Amino acid sequence: DGGITQSPKYLFRKEGQNVTLSCEQNLNHDAMYWYRQDPGQGLRLIYYSQIVNDFQKGDIAEGYSVSREKKESFPLTVTSAQKNPTAFYLCASSIDLGAAQPQHFGDGTRLSIL
Amino acid sequence: GQNIDQPTEMTATEGAIVQINCTYQTSGFNGLFWYQQHAGEAPTFLSYNVLDGLEEKGRFSSFLSRSKGYSYLLLKELQMKDSASYLCAVETDSWGKFQFGAGTQVVVTP
Repeated sequence: DGGITQSPKYLFRKEGQNVTLSCEQNLNHDAMYWYRQDPGQGLRLIYYSQIVNDFQKGDIAEGYSVSREKKESFPLTVTSAQKNPTAFYLCASSIDLGAAQPQHFGDGTRLSIL
Repeated sequence: GQNIDQPTEMTATEGAIVQINCTYQTSGFNGLFWYQQHAGEAPTFLSYNVLDGLEEKGRFSSFLSRSKGYSYLLLKELQMKDSASYLCAVETDSWGKFQFGAGTQVVVTP
């Protein structure tokens, strides 16, 4: 079955640590995205990537970094510079960045600070 | 700035109809999407509108008026499993850039 796999489901970080959230898709999609979801707020775009070795900043990229070395994989690193990292992180993909392309989402990773 | 507004919560009875409104003010418009999200789960795609008018998909319909910056999602013959958050998202001034509303929590009661 094709889909998007995010791991781990729950992640705990100590102050000052970087952590990396995994996102893998086997849908053969070109475009991938990372969102952050906080209670009472809409999903906010962190980074997105149209193709391998290319990615763009979203609305809240500060304190985050990404890489896109393979089509299937788009890991997100939450750095120590992100002052309020506790949130639900969602990875998504779509066929490409063209119009009318719905996004397929993973089940998310919930990050908490110890 | 970008702004997408939806009601926070709506309650309806099983078998009834509920209409979830979404108003938007964005820097550009390339289409509007509706997603369903059950608690702790991934959002799933429901519908897409880019031209004015009504799109029907089984029990779900979505309407768009671009001149008014307005959309609604209509859920008919409500079932208990429809209890979820419904997210309105606008693809704005460049492909792949989406602005999401905060979501409307729909509670279906017996």
